[in-house]
Amino acid sequence: NAGVTQTPKFQVLKTGQSMTLQCAQDMNHNSMYWYRQDPGMGLRLIYYSASEGTTDKGEVPNGYNVSRLNKREFSLRLESAAPSQTSVYFCASSEGFYTGELFFGEGSRLTVL
Amino acid sequence: KQEVTQIPAALSVPEGENLVLNCSFTDSAIYNLQWFRQDPGKGLTSLLLIQSSQREQTSGRLNASLDKSSGRSTLYIAASQPGDSATYLCAGSNTGNQFYFGTGTSLTVIP
Repeated sequence: NAGVTQTPKFQVLKTGQSMTLQCAQDMNHNSMYWYRQDPGMGLRLIYYSASEGTTDKGEVPNGYNVSRLNKREFSLRLESAAPSQTSVYFCASSEGFYTGELFFGEGSRLTVL
Repeated sequence: KQEVTQIPAALSVPEGENLVLNCSFTDSAIYNLQWFRQDPGKGLTSLLLIQSSQREQTSGRLNASLDKSSGRSTLYIAASQPGDSATYLCAGSNTGNQFYFGTGTSLTVIP
């Protein structure tokens, strides 16, 4: 019973490099989310997908792009990584955008040098 | 922009004590509210969800309530155990599941 699976768990990038964080859920949820967690700050929403085929900006979308590949998968792309994007990234899913609790993955720790 | 405050930031209690964690929102128009626990280096585990039509939820030794008039929520933990040691996060949304998170209360339960 995997729930929400994120890859990779750890990544080190140099400034300007690009990478994609992958997320998959096996709970048949309609809605998926990407958050970042920084020390001393609450989790902040980057992008979300309320349903397959839709994506919307959250609180801190600059520097990121997302793709809802299908109902199960939601990826987050950093086109040109910056040190300010050093963070722990969490993917989450819920049954619907207005219903159901959020279930989180284990997180992806990204360091940008 | 919604701001979420959790008090206290850290709490240390002896095993067996009952305790209350507090969470407040600058915008009291909360749609959904969810409490989570986070263990070091791990993801968030959902504890309780209070949906738009609800005011309270209970699960085992945990009880969460939401006062929509004041924008305040409390998480009550009964008969605390060392295994309850973790960081507790509250999150509230003003629409759907677009949540705003607090910075958490770090709880230590001493055997």
